[in-house]
Amino acid sequence: QVRLMQSGAEMKKPGASVRVSCKTSGYTFTSYGISWVRQAPGQGLEWMGWISTYNGDTNFAQKLQDRVTMTTETSTTTAYMELRGLRSDDTAVYYCAKCSATSCHSGGIDYWGQGTLVTVSP
Amino acid sequence: DIQMTQSPSTLSASVGDRVTITCRASQSISRWLAWYQQKPGKAPKFLIYKASNLESGVPSRFSGSGSGTEFTLTISSLQPDDFATYYCQQYDSFPLSFGGGTKVEIK
Repeated sequence: QVRLMQSGAEMKKPGASVRVSCKTSGYTFTSYGISWVRQAPGQGLEWMGWISTYNGDTNFAQKLQDRVTMTTETSTTTAYMELRGLRSDDTAVYYCAKCSATSCHSGGIDYWGQGTLVTVSP
Repeated sequence: DIQMTQSPSTLSASVGDRVTITCRASQSISRWLAWYQQKPGKAPKFLIYKASNLESGVPSRFSGSGSGTEFTLTISSLQPDDFATYYCQQYDSFPLSFGGGTKVEIK
C-alpha cells in the first residue's frame, strides 16, 4: 500500500533552518509528483510547493520561494523540504503529499504523510 | 493566483441531515477541483477529484458537482464519522490553492 512516512517533530530558533524528510513506498516514485502543504495551529491548509520526482522541476508559493528548497532522492524514494530563515509564523504541521498524477496540477493529492510539527520559538 | 472561497465556514447539522458546502474560485478552473476531509490531528483524506469523481473507497453519500467557478460538496445523509473539516482545492494552475475550510459540527 502507498505510504509516506515523515521525519519527527522539530524545535527551532528563529533564523534557523529545518529539513523534513518524506520516505515513500508502495508506488512508482518517479511517476507521481510530491507537494508540500503546511497547516498552522488552528488554521487551514497552505500549499507550499511541488516537485517533479521525474525531472526535479519545482513550483513554489511566491511567499516562500526565497526560503524553501525541495529535493528528491530516487534511490531511496525520499523527498525533502528545507525551509530557511525560520520565523514564529512558520510554526505549523508540515505534510508531504503524493500527487495523483505526474504533476500536481494534473490531478489532486491522493495520499498524505502523517505530518511533521515544526515549532519555531526563541 | 486563484483564490478559493468556501462557505459556510462552520455548519451545524444532525445525523441524517443533507449537507451542502460551496466552494467558489476567483476565475474559471474548469473542473479541476478536489475535496478533502480532515479530522483533528490527522492528515487530510482525498474524497473527490475533477469536481465530481469519487475517490475509491469513499462512501456514495458524498457527491460533488460544479464547473467553472462554482462547486458544491454534498453529503446526502450525514453520519457520525462525517463530522470533520472539509477543504476544496483547485489544481487548474500553479500555485495550487485551498479554500479556507468548512467545519461540520454536531448540532
